Amino acid sequence: GAGVSQSPSNKVTEKGKDVELRCDPISGHTALYWYRQSLGQGLEFLIYFQGNSAPDKSGLPSDRFSAERTGGSVSTLTIQRTQQEDSAVYLCASSISGSDYNEQFFGPGTRLTVL
Amino acid sequence: AQTVTQSQPEMSVQEAETVTLSCTYDTSENNYYLFWYKQPPSRQMILVIRQEAYKQQNATENRFSVNFQKAAKSFSLKISDSQLGDTAMYFCAFMKPYSGTYKYIFGTGTRLKVLA
Repeated sequence: GAGVSQSPSNKVTEKGKDVELRCDPISGHTALYWYRQSLGQGLEFLIYFQGNSAPDKSGLPSDRFSAERTGGSVSTLTIQRTQQEDSAVYLCASSISGSDYNEQFFGPGTRLTVL
Repeated sequence: AQTVTQSQPEMSVQEAETVTLSCTYDTSENNYYLFWYKQPPSRQMILVIRQEAYKQQNATENRFSVNFQKAAKSFSLKISDSQLGDTAMYFCAFMKPYSGTYKYIFGTGTRLKVLA
């Protein structure tokens, strides 16, 4: 079946603009994660959705960042008033919760460049 | 809080040789899961191998195996018979399920280059 998809694959924006990044998880996966990967760096956890539970937002770096997940499927990560330090690759992953391993399946990421 | 450390930012290995990537972690938990993920230049992260902490036997997946030392909190990845396609960033990750939450902690990665 289809894997995790993300759009757009690349986004260039001007400082101060708002951007929306989209993630389509694998059908049936109840858990969805957003990560940020800066150039040459590891994965920084941003937010985690699990079914209908309140999301774990503990990784969001500022109140300019928000995310929602509609109908337990598609998720949108919104960055308001973008700054140059927001430039990074934003990765989305989904998994089947409740299984022991909870392997994460990753999307190809969205490369965000803030000019 | 749990932390994951990968002390080797970059490594290289000759094709067909064996290489070991190191990973250490810090946790007070007894039951947890450890993973190695690969991120090739295409950027798509894929799972390489996983280990349950309560299992003493080291996990193996074809040319990939781990050396899991629970007391030392060490989880190294060994790649045997390295191939050019193994060139990628490798991330070590820790996960502790807690009350239905499955949150991963990733290391900073090791960039591996396989040389022809």
